[in-house]
Amino acid sequence: QVQLVESGGGEVQPGRSLRLSCAASGFTFSTYGVHWVRQAPGKGLEWVALISSDGNNKYYADSVKGRFTISRDNSKNTLYLQMNSLRAEDTAVYHCGQGVGYGDRTFGFWGQGTLVTVSS
Amino acid sequence: DIQMTQSPSSLSASVGDRVTITCRASQTIFSSLNWYQQKPGKAPKLLIYTTSSLQSGVPSRFSGSGSGTDFALTISSLQPEDFAIYYCQQGYSTPPTFGQGTRVEIK
Repeated sequence: QVQLVESGGGEVQPGRSLRLSCAASGFTFSTYGVHWVRQAPGKGLEWVALISSDGNNKYYADSVKGRFTISRDNSKNTLYLQMNSLRAEDTAVYHCGQGVGYGDRTFGFWGQGTLVTVSS
Repeated sequence: DIQMTQSPSSLSASVGDRVTITCRASQTIFSSLNWYQQKPGKAPKLLIYTTSSLQSGVPSRFSGSGSGTDFALTISSLQPEDFAIYYCQQGYSTPPTFGQGTRVEIK
């Protein structure tokens, strides 16, 4: 069965960096686009970034553009999110999601998420 | 970006009730509308894709309808396990955007 397991979250001070990982299994990772979606405490879902199956195309929300970088290693079935210049408003649970359907813009399966807390 | 607006924000209902949640897009998204269910502390789960297609394993009491800018999720007979938050999401263009969510609570 499809599994997505995030890791790398934690508490970090504003302005610092953090790298999240998402380990995928149960499907052919290299043939799917994958996303990061975040959810601030008690709030709704906010899309963060998408990377194409081959890693050549990357898309970002305006709120993270220039600060976050999405990448993938298809040999390791792993998705990454490098987060720099973190702000308090980046505090959230970060989920990875399998992109399916047209443009990979349907979220077929989600991971449980990893909590990132940005606080001084 | 396409804005998605759900209503109501929350509702109280009893087991066995028929429940409908609506979702409106700020511009036409044709049939590119998905619905997700999220329970506390859990990952969201895809229920319905492209407006009305039921994801594998999802009970048939869930159904979706609509086109263009106006969509609906209907639960024909609410079950105890259906109490959750429901989100719509447009897949027509990047960035994919979500509604604010509808919390379905026990009356």
